[in-house]
Amino acid sequence: QTVVTQEPSFSVSPGGTVTLTCGLSSGSVSTSYYPSWYQQTPGQAPRTLIYSTNTRSSGVPDRFSGSILGNKAALTITGAQADDESDYYCVLYMGSLWVFGGGTKLTVL
Amino acid sequence: QVQLVESGGGVVQPGGSLRLSCAASGFTFSSYGMHWVRQAPGKGLEWVAFIRYDGSNKYYADSVKGRFTISRDNSKNTLYLQMNSLRAEDTAVYYCAKDRYYYDSSGYYRYFDYWGQGTLVTVSS
Repeated sequence: QTVVTQEPSFSVSPGGTVTLTCGLSSGSVSTSYYPSWYQQTPGQAPRTLIYSTNTRSSGVPDRFSGSILGNKAALTITGAQADDESDYYCVLYMGSLWVFGGGTKLTVL
Repeated sequence: QVQLVESGGGVVQPGGSLRLSCAASGFTFSSYGMHWVRQAPGKGLEWVAFIRYDGSNKYYADSVKGRFTISRDNSKNTLYLQMNSLRAEDTAVYYCAKDRYYYDSSGYYRYFDYWGQGTLVTVSS
């Protein structure tokens, strides 16, 4: 069974830069998995941030960027702000199913 | 603007059934695939099922295969999830999400581009 891995939690200072990653329990993440990233605050529906590795969704600030770093997909937030404090989920498309990572809880303090 | 509105959630006993609906508006519903994604209380997101724009292909997570059925009525712009043999571990907020799959000169793109607000399903005796 394929497991998509994310850091359970991360902390960043206001104005700082943080990189969250999305890996596979076995193998490497590549662009062919169409990695995408979603932001969710408590009680709210997810919001689409990045899709197909590095394309920002409409209205998403350019401080959010996506890439492949080594064997993982990555979400980088440059110049973190207080309202970036959220849960972040990646999802990989695997042909006939989609698999979410467990999510990363980002704290900005 | 795109709107996805889920309904049909509630409390059901283990072994029971429930049908969720997702009313879509603001886009040509019959041209897009659709998903159900769920989130158990305090847990992460879990993809549940996908249906192609014309209903010709359906895919399910192993955790719901054989118990849940995704369907759609393009004449009513509505997506459904029929849930049978419900278990306590199916307790979650269920979101419908629109699939976006396209290509351009730069390559192929695939993601969930719009989400509903979710409907809560509680399986409990």
